[in-house]
Amino acid sequence: QSVLTQPPSVSGAPGQRVTISCTGSSSNIGAGYNVHWYQQLPGTAPKLLISGNTNRPSGVPDRFSGSKSGTSASLAITGLQAEDEADYYCQSYDSSLLFGGGTKVTVL
Amino acid sequence: EVQLLESGGGLVQPGGSLRLSCAASGFIFSTYAMSWVRQSPGKGLEWVSGISGSGGSTYYADSVKGRFTISRDNSKNTLYLQMNRLRPEDTAVYYCAKSSDNSGYYYLTDFFDYWGQGTLVTVSS
Repeated sequence: QSVLTQPPSVSGAPGQRVTISCTGSSSNIGAGYNVHWYQQLPGTAPKLLISGNTNRPSGVPDRFSGSKSGTSASLAITGLQAEDEADYYCQSYDSSLLFGGGTKVTVL
Repeated sequence: EVQLLESGGGLVQPGGSLRLSCAASGFIFSTYAMSWVRQSPGKGLEWVSGISGSGGSTYYADSVKGRFTISRDNSKNTLYLQMNRLRPEDTAVYYCAKSSDNSGYYYLTDFFDYWGQGTLVTVSS
C-alpha cells in the first residue's frame, strides 16, 4: 500500500473529462511538497506530464492539468482521447522519493 | 536530444550480482543528478537510488540499501547500478532517469524530465 493513494482505475468516453486523485497526508503533500505526474503508455517508459503541481512541460497538450489542495493533488484530462489510455503516476516526497500506486485510464 | 540507454539486464540466480549501465547523451551529464527507478512486472514505479552530478552524494531506498551501489563516470557519460545479493523481489524493469535540476545536487523532491527505455532484471533459480 503506497503512502500516496491513487484509484486503481478510472474510465471515460471520448471527449469526457476524467480526474485522477493522489491522496497523501500532512507529512508529504500536506507538508507542502510538490506533486509531479507521469504518463506511461503501454509497453513504454514513463513520461513527465506535470511538474511542480501545475506545470506542463512543452509538448504536453493543454488537455492535461494538475492541481493541489491540502493533502491531495489531482490530474485532470479534458477532452479524453483514445491515445490517453495509459497508466498515470503521481510522485512526491515523504522522507524519501515516493510514487503513487498508479491509475489505469481506460477510454470507453 | 536527450537520450538514456540502459543495458546489462538479464537472468540471474538469487544471491547473484549484476551491473546495469545507462549511457547518456544530449546534455551536460556531469551537471545533472541521476536516478534508478524500477517497476516490477504488472506493478507500479519504485525509486531505487540517486546520485549527485559529481557522484559525491548517493541515496538509496531502504529495500536496496547495503546491497546496491550507484555510481557514475562523468568522463564516459555513464551511470551504473551494481546490484549484489539479488532477491526474487528485485525482479523488475530498471529505468535510469535524469533529474530536472541542473545544479548537480540531488534533491529527493525533484522530478525526472527524461527516462530511458528500461532494462529487465529477472532474479530466479
